[in-house]
Amino acid sequence: AQSVAQPEDQVNVAEGNPLTVKCTYSVSGNPYLFWYVQYPNRGLQFLLKYITGDNLVKGSYGFEAEFNKSQTSFHLKKPSALVSDSALYFCAVTLSRGAGNMLTFGGGTRLMVKP
Amino acid sequence: DSGVTQTPKHLITATGQRVTLRCSPRSGDLSVYWYQQSLDQGLQFLIQYYNGEERAKGNILERFSAQQFPDLHSELNLSSLELGDSALYFCASSTWDRGNYGYTFGSGTRLTVV
Repeated sequence: AQSVAQPEDQVNVAEGNPLTVKCTYSVSGNPYLFWYVQYPNRGLQFLLKYITGDNLVKGSYGFEAEFNKSQTSFHLKKPSALVSDSALYFCAVTLSRGAGNMLTFGGGTRLMVKP
Repeated sequence: DSGVTQTPKHLITATGQRVTLRCSPRSGDLSVYWYQQSLDQGLQFLIQYYNGEERAKGNILERFSAQQFPDLHSELNLSSLELGDSALYFCASSTWDRGNYGYTFGSGTRLTVV
C-alpha cells in the first residue's frame, strides 16, 4: 500500500519570506512523487515531479522540492513567497508505471501568504 | 486548457437521482482515473481504466460505476444519490511517452445533491 502525509493543514508565511510545505510518503519500492496546486474553484495544476535522478527538482512558478529517500520526504519549497501563491497544495505518490499506478494524495496543505 | 475535458462543470440534482459525469482524456492517453474531492476527505481515488479495461479500484461505492469507451472517453455513473455524495469529481489521464511521465487533471465536475 502507498500513503502520503502532509502534516500541516495550513502554512502561513509573509510575502517575500521562504516557504516550505511538508510531505512524507510510504511505499514499498521506488516512488514517483508529485506536487499539485489547486486554486479556488479550479482543477489541479501540476507543479513538479520526481521520477529519478537529481534529488532537487525544480518546477513551475519558482517552486522546487527535494527528494530525501532516507527520510521518505518530498518537501515543497520556494525562496520568496508571493501573495498569489496562496492556494491548496497536494503531494502525491505512485509506485510504478505498471498496473494500478494511480496517484495517492496527501490531505492537502493550505498555504496563506500575507502581504 | 489541460487537454482533459470534463462535462458538465456543475450539476445540481436531488437525492435518489442518477447522474453521469463525462471525461475525455488527453489525446493519446490510454489511462483514465476518477477521483472524488470532498470537503473533509481530500482527494480519494475511485477507479482507473486503461484502454477500455478496468485496471484498479479504490474506495468506490457500489452505487457508483464507470466505463471507458472505444474512443477512450470515460463516464462515471452515480446512482441513488445521497447528500454526502456532494463533491468535486476529477478525471485525470496519464502518459509515459518518450520518457515523459505525468498525470493531467481536468477542471472537475462539481456535484451538489439537494
